[in-house]
Amino acid sequence: AQKVTQAQTEISVVEKEDVTLDCVYETRDTTYYLFWYKQPPSGELVFLIRRNSFDEQNEISGRYSWNFQKSTSSFNFTITASQVVDSAVYFCAPTPDQTGANNLFFGTGTRLTVIP
Amino acid sequence: GAGVSQSPSNKVTEKGKDVELRCDPISGHTALYWYRQSLGQGLEFLIYFQGNSAPDKSGLPSDRFSAERTGGSVSTLTIQRTQQEDSAVYLCASSPTPPGNSPLHFGNGTRLTVT
Repeated sequence: AQKVTQAQTEISVVEKEDVTLDCVYETRDTTYYLFWYKQPPSGELVFLIRRNSFDEQNEISGRYSWNFQKSTSSFNFTITASQVVDSAVYFCAPTPDQTGANNLFFGTGTRLTVIP
Repeated sequence: GAGVSQSPSNKVTEKGKDVELRCDPISGHTALYWYRQSLGQGLEFLIYFQGNSAPDKSGLPSDRFSAERTGGSVSTLTIQRTQQEDSAVYLCASSPTPPGNSPLHFGNGTRLTVT
C-alpha cells in the first residue's frame, strides 16, 4: 500500500524568509514519479515539478528547489526569499509506475501564507 | 482555448435534484480525471478515463455518481439526487499520456452547492 504524508497543515512565514514544505511517500515500489502542484487562492491547480524515483539529483529553478531522498522517502520543496504571491496550498502527488495504477495520489496539502 | 475548460463555474442546486458538470479537456489529451475537493481538504479521486479503455470508476462515492466521456473528448459528471454532502469543488484534469509520464492540467473547477 502507498501512503503520502504532508505533515505540515499550515505554515506562515514573513516575506523574504525561506520555507520548506515536506512530503513523505511510503511505498514498496522501486519506480515511481513525484509531482508538486500549487493551488493559489484562485483555485486552479498548477503543475510545478515532476521527478523520477531513480533521479535523486536536486533541482533548482529560480527561487524554487527540490530535494529528493529515496532512502527517507522524502521529496521536499523549498522556496527561498518567499513572496506574497507564493501564498497557496501546495500538494505533493506521487504516482506509482504500475500498469493499471491510474490514480495520482494527492497529499492533503500544505497551506502556505506569506505575510508582507 | 488552450486549457481545460469546465462549466458551469458555479452551480447551486436544491437537495434531491440532478446536476451535470462538464469538462472539455485539452485537445489531444487521452487521459481525463475527475477529482472532488471539499472545503479546505485535499483532492479525492473520482474517475479516470484513458482513451477507449474502460474507465476506472473506483473513486465514485456512490451509485448516484456517474460519468461519461464521449468521443474521447468532452466528459460529463452526473450527480443524481444530490445531497448536501455533495457540496464541493469538482475538478477535471487531462494529460496527454497515462499518469507518471506527464503532469495533469487542471481546469478551474465547478463549485457545487447543494441547499
